[in-house]
Amino acid sequence: DSGVTQTPKHLITATGQRVTLRCSPRSGDLSVYWYQQSLDQGLQFLIQYYNGEERAKGNILERFSAQQFPDLHSELNLSSLELGDSALYFCASSVRVGGRARDTQYFGPGTRLTVL
Amino acid sequence: AQTVTQSQPEMSVQEAETVTLSCTYDTSESDYYLFWYKQPPSRQMILVIRQEAYKQQNATENRFSVNFQKAAKSFSLKISDSQLGDAAMYFCAYRSAYSGGSYIPTFGRGTSLIVHP
Repeated sequence: DSGVTQTPKHLITATGQRVTLRCSPRSGDLSVYWYQQSLDQGLQFLIQYYNGEERAKGNILERFSAQQFPDLHSELNLSSLELGDSALYFCASSVRVGGRARDTQYFGPGTRLTVL
Repeated sequence: AQTVTQSQPEMSVQEAETVTLSCTYDTSESDYYLFWYKQPPSRQMILVIRQEAYKQQNATENRFSVNFQKAAKSFSLKISDSQLGDAAMYFCAYRSAYSGGSYIPTFGRGTSLIVHP
């Protein structure tokens, strides 16, 4: 168990709908990262938050957005869903120590999204 | 930009044997971290091993060890006494250690390991 939790585990919805994925980082971790993994694909970085602020953006569609709340949990919002959005969405967390990136990313179990 | 290459899409090994998964990376930085993650059929991403570039000693975690060749930019994973539970996709990842960066790791495309009984 990595200590990172994600809900829900599975989500089935229809095209055009909007969903929210939730992530709780490990205790003490300030950074949250979101990744998308389609079937037989590698990990695609979407976005990173650090202590409530957006820190880095990857290949995130405009239909997708995220935020990190004061209690450090994060939500990924996916709207106007398309069939191609079906994927496994991972959240990972880490923490910086001093000025050196001593942290390691620990992944949650993922949310499997199916768009029908 | 850093790149990570895993040249073996698939590898197979007999149970109890040893297998080595290769990973090469390209970077101009001298301080960084390298990781191997395992993704079994459950699709959970599990950290296997971590290497700090400024440490010459190769990291080891039980049956898992790495061969880190900094000059060659190579970071291979050796699995000894392979077990059926080792069957998974293995991802190599690179991450900068410099402050001020976003610390977004770069992942390879993965190597699928098959373990034969």
